[in-house]
Amino acid sequence: DIQMTQSPSSLSASVGDRVTITCRTSQNVRTYLNWYQQKPGKAPTLLIYDASTLQSGIPSRFSGSGSGTDFTLTISSLQPEDFATYYCQQSYIKPPCTFGQGTYLEIK
Amino acid sequence: VQLMETGGGLVHPGGSLTLSCAASGFSVSADYMSWVRQAPGKGLEGVSFIYHDGTTYYADSVKGRFTISRDNSKNTLYLQMHSLRADDTAVYYCARAEVIGAGHFFDYWGQGTLVTVSS
Repeated sequence: DIQMTQSPSSLSASVGDRVTITCRTSQNVRTYLNWYQQKPGKAPTLLIYDASTLQSGIPSRFSGSGSGTDFTLTISSLQPEDFATYYCQQSYIKPPCTFGQGTYLEIK
Repeated sequence: VQLMETGGGLVHPGGSLTLSCAASGFSVSADYMSWVRQAPGKGLEGVSFIYHDGTTYYADSVKGRFTISRDNSKNTLYLQMHSLRADDTAVYYCARAEVIGAGHFFDYWGQGTLVTVSS
């Protein structure tokens, strides 16, 4: 089975900070890696798909990069509404998909 | 596009429950649909998937106990759950997947329905 490792598992940051979250897969998933944001009590929201494509309606401070087994999600300047949990998801290795364990981003 | 799950609740271990996900704004038969669950305080887990051609997949943890299906006339996705265990306790989300090349991403999610398995 494919393993996915997000790091860090939690992160404290301040408004205006630049934040980077990484996702590593144990097998090559090419660019079939997506990022989601989830706030407490809510469904996840798609941020980035295909490793680097910004979903419609998502602010440009979010960006993604990577291919193969190493990926990053970057928030260029944290806003108060960005404090949430972030998940990566691969969709290349079947069964259909696997999620990372999540990164909890909290206010410092 | 909207997805609305119903059918969650409290069930005893070994019991059964059927979740429904009513879709609007698109056809469940034309798209790739899935159920994703989240145990309390835990991460996301893909549980079951159905492609437009009817092919289905299940996570090992639910294989043989859960069945995904859809009713095209009602534009509704279902998840039949049997032999429920305490570790099936979770919020269950239905989600629509947009296919891109050899992969997909979940662009629309329902609000989730809570399933609690407890005696």
